[in-house]
Amino acid sequence: DAGVTQSPTHLIKTRGQHVTLRCSPISGHKSVSWYQQVLGQGPQFIFQYYEKEERGRGNFPDRFSARQFPNYSSELNVNALLLGDSALYLCASSSTGGDEQFFGPGTRLTVL
Amino acid sequence: GENVEQHPSTLSVQEGDSAVIKCTYSDSASNYFPWYKQELGKRPQLIIDIRSNVGEKKDQRIAVTLNKTAKHFSLHITETQPEDSAVYFCAASIGGYQKVTFGIGTKLQVIP
Repeated sequence: DAGVTQSPTHLIKTRGQHVTLRCSPISGHKSVSWYQQVLGQGPQFIFQYYEKEERGRGNFPDRFSARQFPNYSSELNVNALLLGDSALYLCASSSTGGDEQFFGPGTRLTVL
Repeated sequence: GENVEQHPSTLSVQEGDSAVIKCTYSDSASNYFPWYKQELGKRPQLIIDIRSNVGEKKDQRIAVTLNKTAKHFSLHITETQPEDSAVYFCAASIGGYQKVTFGIGTKLQVIP
């Protein structure tokens, strides 16, 4: 059974550009969360979606947005990239009402 | 919002010794406390979790304790092995809501 998958694995962008990151949850999981992990720190919560509705949002600017599709996959969009957006972006999925989250391998974003 | 403090930030132990990592949380509504292990370049992986209706949970060499009154929880690893070397994160969340707040992480080094 496949785990959480994310694409792309690595991405290099320049300041001011836009980026879209993708996540496919574990089959049967309806909840997807996005986290930003800066080197040397713990993951920071960005968004959580459940059944295509936004359930929670962390302290991130409006440049960050996300959505969840009918098949429960999700996209994270970041506009007007800044150098400080360079990080590992992690997606995690969980089953309906469950607390246990399973993380994907992450997308390493570098902003030059 | 929730704030999770974790210490120590680094921990070196001899193989076979025990390791203890401590965390405190601020939101008394938090009731789910997972611990994640993250090896270099890899995704966080859940190693053990505890809910607020339980004071202690054990899984082989790993145990977690929770003191709700003090808002304090700890990870105990006994008989440490070199493969236990990694960064460990504690986290807290309110069950049913997936905004998981992570600690800053503890880099554990087990010296053979």
